[in-house]
Amino acid sequence: GDSVTQMEGPVTLSEEAFLTINCTYTATGYPSLFWYVQYPGEGLQLLLKATKADDKGSNKGFEATYRKETTSFHLEKGSVQVSDSAVYFCALSDHSGNTPLVFGKGTRLSVIA
Amino acid sequence: KAGVTQTPRYLIKTRGQQVTLSCSPISGHRSVSWYQQTPGQGLQFLFEYFSETQRNKGNFPGRFSGRQFSNSRSEMNVSTLELGDSALYLCASSFLTPSTDTQYFGPGTRLTVL
Repeated sequence: GDSVTQMEGPVTLSEEAFLTINCTYTATGYPSLFWYVQYPGEGLQLLLKATKADDKGSNKGFEATYRKETTSFHLEKGSVQVSDSAVYFCALSDHSGNTPLVFGKGTRLSVIA
Repeated sequence: KAGVTQTPRYLIKTRGQQVTLSCSPISGHRSVSWYQQTPGQGLQFLFEYFSETQRNKGNFPGRFSGRQFSNSRSEMNVSTLELGDSALYLCASSFLTPSTDTQYFGPGTRLTVL
């Protein structure tokens, strides 16, 4: 079945550091890929998405490129802020029927001033 | 446009009791999905409803059930609560189907079973 694997956290960075959170997937066909973010005490918010190979999703300084050849969708940000501290989830949707999103385990990011 | 709302935000129950959680989707969204989030298992899919019909179900025991009303609002019910049911329960809505339309999540209901 479909699956998503994320790098395990927690990840601790200093403010203005470069961020990469790795995400790889296994799916049949051509899934859509998503990054969701969960701030403390809140639900999940869609951060960015990409629906086909080589698409780049971007939002709030975060970027991720859909790489079919490496089945990856790594999240990057050039300069993190304390306010980026949250849990980040990679997810996929395989477009078959009404199947739900498949999520990775989540990566907790802590940014210190 | 208002987002997905969930009530209550926090619940404390004891083993053996039952609980009902409510979710109001974004206006115009007809698909509602429920997820359970725990530190050990992460996000696990419970079920999805569309037009008052359950279209998809995850691998949870029959103690977990749900329904959807004609206005797309949804409830989930957990009977005979167990300690392991303590979790954050998230509701997500999408326009027609979660496999092709973006899902938008509510803030969740934090259930604690004592």
